[in-house]
Amino acid sequence: DIQMNQTPSTLSMSIGERVIINCHASEIINTWLSWHQQKPENAPQLLISKASNFHTEVPSRFSGSGSGTDYSLSSSSLEPEDIATYYCVQAKSLPNTFGAGTKLELK
Amino acid sequence: EVQLVESGGGLVKPGSSLKLSCVASGFTFSSYGMHWIRQAPKKGLEWIALIYYDSSNKYYADSVKGRFTISRDNSKNTLYLEMNSLRSEDTAMYYCATGSFDYWGQGVMVTVSS
Repeated sequence: DIQMNQTPSTLSMSIGERVIINCHASEIINTWLSWHQQKPENAPQLLISKASNFHTEVPSRFSGSGSGTDYSLSSSSLEPEDIATYYCVQAKSLPNTFGAGTKLELK
Repeated sequence: EVQLVESGGGLVKPGSSLKLSCVASGFTFSSYGMHWIRQAPKKGLEWIALIYYDSSNKYYADSVKGRFTISRDNSKNTLYLEMNSLRSEDTAMYYCATGSFDYWGQGVMVTVSS
């Protein structure tokens, strides 16, 4: 199974700050990675697919990048509505595996 | 608008069975593979099953293999998860999602407790 090491597990940031979340795969996943946002008491929602492709209506402050085994999700400027837990998931091979999540908190 | 609506959850005793449903609308259901993913209370996401668009292939996580069965009825735009021999560790919110995790349902809670 491909292991996804997601860091950091918790992030305390201020409004307006840049946010970066990382996922490292245990083997090359050829950009078969997506990022999902889960707000408290809600279902996850897709933000970024195929490492860098925006999903419908995702704010332009979010972006994804990476290749090989290392991928990142960035927000150029944290907004209050971005407070959530973020997950990466690899779809290169089964079982699809999720990162452990990054909980984004307001400082 | 894409919608996925799960149902069928509840409180059951260990060893019991339960069948979840996920009704899809807003897209051509019969053209897409579908997943079930679960989330134990205050834990992360765990992929548990995938079914191809035509039911030709089904895949399971080791944690549910032999106990859970994924199926679909394309005439009813409905995905199913039949869960047998339920254990306390199966307690979770269960989500259905489209093949590339583009869309998720709102989830349905399954609690296994005596």
